[in-house]
Amino acid sequence: NFMLTQPHSMSESLGKTVTISCTGSSGYIATNYVQWYQQRPGIAPATLIYENNQRPSGVPDRFSGSIDTSSNSASLTISGLKPEDEADYYCQSYDRSNSWVFGGGTKLTVL
Amino acid sequence: QVQLVQSGAEVRKPGASVRVSCKASGYVFTTYEIYWVRQATGQGLEYMGWMSPLTGHTANAQKFQGRVTMTRDTSISTAYLELSSLNSDDTAVYYCARRLGWACISCPGGYWGQGTLVTVSS
Repeated sequence: NFMLTQPHSMSESLGKTVTISCTGSSGYIATNYVQWYQQRPGIAPATLIYENNQRPSGVPDRFSGSIDTSSNSASLTISGLKPEDEADYYCQSYDRSNSWVFGGGTKLTVL
Repeated sequence: QVQLVQSGAEVRKPGASVRVSCKASGYVFTTYEIYWVRQATGQGLEYMGWMSPLTGHTANAQKFQGRVTMTRDTSISTAYLELSSLNSDDTAVYYCARRLGWACISCPGGYWGQGTLVTVSS
């Protein structure tokens, strides 16, 4: 079964930059798009990044996504950290049957 | 504006079934698939499947085969998720979702319902 692995938690200081990784269990990252979602406590997830590096309208350009095929991983980078960025972040892609697969989520603490 | 409004919290006993609704507004209901995702308390997101409101075609995640039924009523722009043979592991918030739009190839979770808490307890 295809899996996506994220760090369980990360912390970084206000105004700094943080990068959250999402590693695929097989050489699948390069062949399927990756999305990133932000979820604040008690609220539904919201799309930050789709198709590896595209931002929906309204998402600040402080959020960016990328793919590294050599390491079979995707990354979400958040620059100029703000208090409201403290949330859970999930990567998502697809398995062979086109079912969604989520990473386990990363809890980001802004110090 | 696009909105997905879900039904209220439910409590069920083990072995029972539950049906969650997701009412769409702000767009033509039959033009976008509806996806279902759940989240147990303090846990991550788990994909359950999708349904085409146009055709009624469904595809469930393998884990839920035989226990999940997805239906719709196009006259009221509402999708339904029914989960049977409930056990305590099914206690979770259930979300419906829709893709962002048609200008993107892969943008599945563009809009989300507010979530429905289903509690399974004896």
